Amino acid sequence: AQKITQTQPGMFVQEKEAVTLDCTYDTSDQSYGLFWYKQPSSGEMIFLIYQGSYDEQNATEGRYSLNFQKARKSANLVISASQLGDSAMYFCAMREAPNDYKLSFGAGTTVTVRA
Amino acid sequence: SAVISQKPSRDICQRGTSLTIQCQVDSQVTMMFWYRQQPGQSLTLIATANQGSEATYESGFVIDKFPISRPNLTFSTLTVSNMSPEDSSIYLCSVERTSGGRAKNIQYFGAGTRLSVL
Repeated sequence: AQKITQTQPGMFVQEKEAVTLDCTYDTSDQSYGLFWYKQPSSGEMIFLIYQGSYDEQNATEGRYSLNFQKARKSANLVISASQLGDSAMYFCAMREAPNDYKLSFGAGTTVTVRA
Repeated sequence: SAVISQKPSRDICQRGTSLTIQCQVDSQVTMMFWYRQQPGQSLTLIATANQGSEATYESGFVIDKFPISRPNLTFSTLTVSNMSPEDSSIYLCSVERTSGGRAKNIQYFGAGTRLSVL
């Protein structure tokens, strides 16, 4: 079964607007971590934000915030005040146990920011 | 974060040949990881490289095809052997670092190697 599901293959957003990228996950572990990465056309993978399953508050890092809804098993990424440089592929990933290094990645969402 | 240098950044190779990709990290790490990203796809873990022991391969990946070396705590290589066009992918190495604040173990990635096999 797919552990990470990203249902939006591609999205367009106007510059300076906010965009929400969906991510749902499937795990039976109580302790897990959720990650978002950005991959520009250059190919590098850039870590954006992390949410632990026991974290009570939603994670925020600058213009990135994570809307964590544990009961729904969703971890949506919100990018506020979009910039042209935000155009990239975005991947949601999960690490299922504290000592398990393995990351499971979703299929990714391509974001294109329009001027 | 981590400074990870990956070489080469891209290459075009003939089928049947082999390519060795290098990954250098700015400080010592216990585990290094190698991923493959086929065109238009997500990332798939190939193997985990621990210093002083053989790499641990994920299902679908074998040592004969993807031999890995880990001679010290800051360096690893991945070789793609006997290449075919199906091996055309981005290959990425990553390392795990404990990040401050709320995050615990974060995997940071190199810039990747774009491989095209003709």
